[in-house]
Amino acid sequence: AQSVTQLGSHVSVSEGALVLLRCNYSSSVPPYLFWYVQYPNQGLQLLLKYTTGATLVKGINGFEAEFKKSETSFHLTKPSAHMSDAAEYFCAVSGSGGSYIPTFGRGTSLIVHP
Amino acid sequence: DTEVTQTPKHLVMGMTNKKSLKCEQHMGHRAMYWYKQKAKKPPELMFVYSYEKLSINESVPSRFSPECPNSSLLNLHLHALQPEDSALYLCASSQEGTGGFYEQYFGPGTRLTVT
Repeated sequence: AQSVTQLGSHVSVSEGALVLLRCNYSSSVPPYLFWYVQYPNQGLQLLLKYTTGATLVKGINGFEAEFKKSETSFHLTKPSAHMSDAAEYFCAVSGSGGSYIPTFGRGTSLIVHP
Repeated sequence: DTEVTQTPKHLVMGMTNKKSLKCEQHMGHRAMYWYKQKAKKPPELMFVYSYEKLSINESVPSRFSPECPNSSLLNLHLHALQPEDSALYLCASSQEGTGGFYEQYFGPGTRLTVT
């Protein structure tokens, strides 16, 4: 079985401030982890993914995430928020039971204030 | 080409209408998905096709009927929908294989309104 918990349905930051979106997972096997972003009235777009190897993963638009097995976490960060980062962010996990079907977290809405 | 296309972008239909949503990808992906998404919620899996065969049906009502004519196309046929079926319908594709390390590519979605 696999599941994802995203802490905080809304995160509000000022432009230029650090962005931290939290994701904790549960998986019976080594997980594959993903962060997706969804802008209003659009589909989901992959930001980054962790499969194996380096635990610090860099993605698009300046985002990165670190896989911490001991904490079962995969938090998403960006050093400096931009107004264009305002969107819905989904963490997802797959791999449990050999399944390639991801389980999505409930999502976190990032609000960026000028 | 890493694009998944969906048509139409918007659809308004009455409860007695029959309509279809279309999805296309040319990435050679052999897994294709239909999701339903309500506002401010995660995508909710409806169907999965693997190598053009229906592999997962998440207990979706029969008023939704999927079809995979070939490896690039995915349709969702709609009939006698209810107002609560109004949502964003997303198509996605991915490489297929055990392990789950392949990311999904999503289309822009069809915004469906049932009146």
